[in-house]
Amino acid sequence: AQKITQTQPGMFVQEKEAVTLDCTYDTSDQSYGLFWYKQPSSGEMIFLIYQGSYDEQNATEGRYSLNFQKARKSTNLVISASQLGDSAMYFCAMRSGGVGNMLTFGGGTRLMVKP
Amino acid sequence: KAGVTQTPRYLIKTRGQQVTLSCSPISGHRSVSWYQQTPGQGLQFLFEYFSETQRNKGNFPGRFSGRQFSNSRSEMNVSTLELGDSALYLCASTVSTSADTQYFGPGTRLTVL
Repeated sequence: AQKITQTQPGMFVQEKEAVTLDCTYDTSDQSYGLFWYKQPSSGEMIFLIYQGSYDEQNATEGRYSLNFQKARKSTNLVISASQLGDSAMYFCAMRSGGVGNMLTFGGGTRLMVKP
Repeated sequence: KAGVTQTPRYLIKTRGQQVTLSCSPISGHRSVSWYQQTPGQGLQFLFEYFSETQRNKGNFPGRFSGRQFSNSRSEMNVSTLELGDSALYLCASTVSTSADTQYFGPGTRLTVL
């Protein structure tokens, strides 16, 4: 069975600083995908960034980047130059094995950006 | 291109009733997945439909069911509602294959009284 662990229930960061959100995963599959989503208080899940298990380079999307350590089974999200609008819940998710698009989610991290 | 839409956005029902939620995927997307989000259990996968066929199913009782129409729109139904069914129900769509990113709708917030 797949499992995603986010050990930081809540975090504070000062505006304009960088922050790292941790995520570890467990799977016996060789092929899998890792996703990060942002969920503001409105409830909608916003896709941020994706890392495939066979990708050799860390994924980057604007201010978001991943620190993917396959041997450690971790994929930490780095947000650079935090903005007040970054305050939200952040979820790490994994799709692995078989056919289809079932995602397993971690418990989330609530990020609060201080002005 | 319009995003994933879900209707209704908010719903209040009483125990024992049934409810139907609707999801319209992004144009061209053929796979629709449903998730339940609660404070206690977090985000849990309900089921996935692709080309009108259920492709995957999560660990939920048979009271939870769904279907997909030929235009890829999907509905999920919950019968005999229980208080514990109160949740945010999220729908996500992808183009087709397992390598695609899932894009989520705004969700339907269901409250069972």
